[in-house]
Amino acid sequence: GAVVSQHPSWVICKSGTSVKIECRSLDFQATTMFWYRQFPKQSLMLMATSNEGSKATYEQGVEKDKFLINHASLTLSTLTVTSAHPEDSSFYICSARELGMTSGRNNEQFFGPGTRLTVL
Amino acid sequence: GEDVEQSLFLSVREGDSSVINCTYTDSSSTYLYWYKQEPGAGLQLLTYIFSNMDMKQDQRLTVLLNKKDKHLSLRIADTQTGDSAIYFCAERKGGKLIFGQGTELSVKP
Repeated sequence: GAVVSQHPSWVICKSGTSVKIECRSLDFQATTMFWYRQFPKQSLMLMATSNEGSKATYEQGVEKDKFLINHASLTLSTLTVTSAHPEDSSFYICSARELGMTSGRNNEQFFGPGTRLTVL
Repeated sequence: GEDVEQSLFLSVREGDSSVINCTYTDSSSTYLYWYKQEPGAGLQLLTYIFSNMDMKQDQRLTVLLNKKDKHLSLRIADTQTGDSAIYFCAERKGGKLIFGQGTELSVKP
């Protein structure tokens, strides 16, 4: 259980276009989803936290107009990179958290497999 | 500086034990985690420890927590080539996860 998928797994786009990445919790309802960005050989940097039905909370330095997040249902969050540029090329990873779990790992985040974005 | 710090590389021979170390800064962190990331993939939770524990063992994995020194370690017994990956420690802080830089484990046959 607790599977999170991302689509697409990789995408190549031209500079100036927008790209949408989907994050889905397949077998549980995720009231909170997180979006991370990872540069090669580096750690995961939290970009934003999205709660179902409300606006996302962005980390300092992350442009909310650049990285649009929508969490319209309990199983789907989307990240749209608007007017992408080569510096936006990165590995984007989402995670999902289900509240109310009774295990000792309450509030654990389950990670998706990541989406590799390359902007030409 | 970084909230969570790890050494960047570790190289071991197959069959040896690997020890990956991590230091964190927030003594109020309730849970500390170890994740594994294989090339081009997402993160896989390996194990976790609650802050009131000193040690946790799960098959080949042993986690040691020194809360006084804010030091966390992951020991992998009988390391195999399939264990080659990047290992991240993370602390839970206010509902978020703060990750270390990752330790790249290389296992040589």
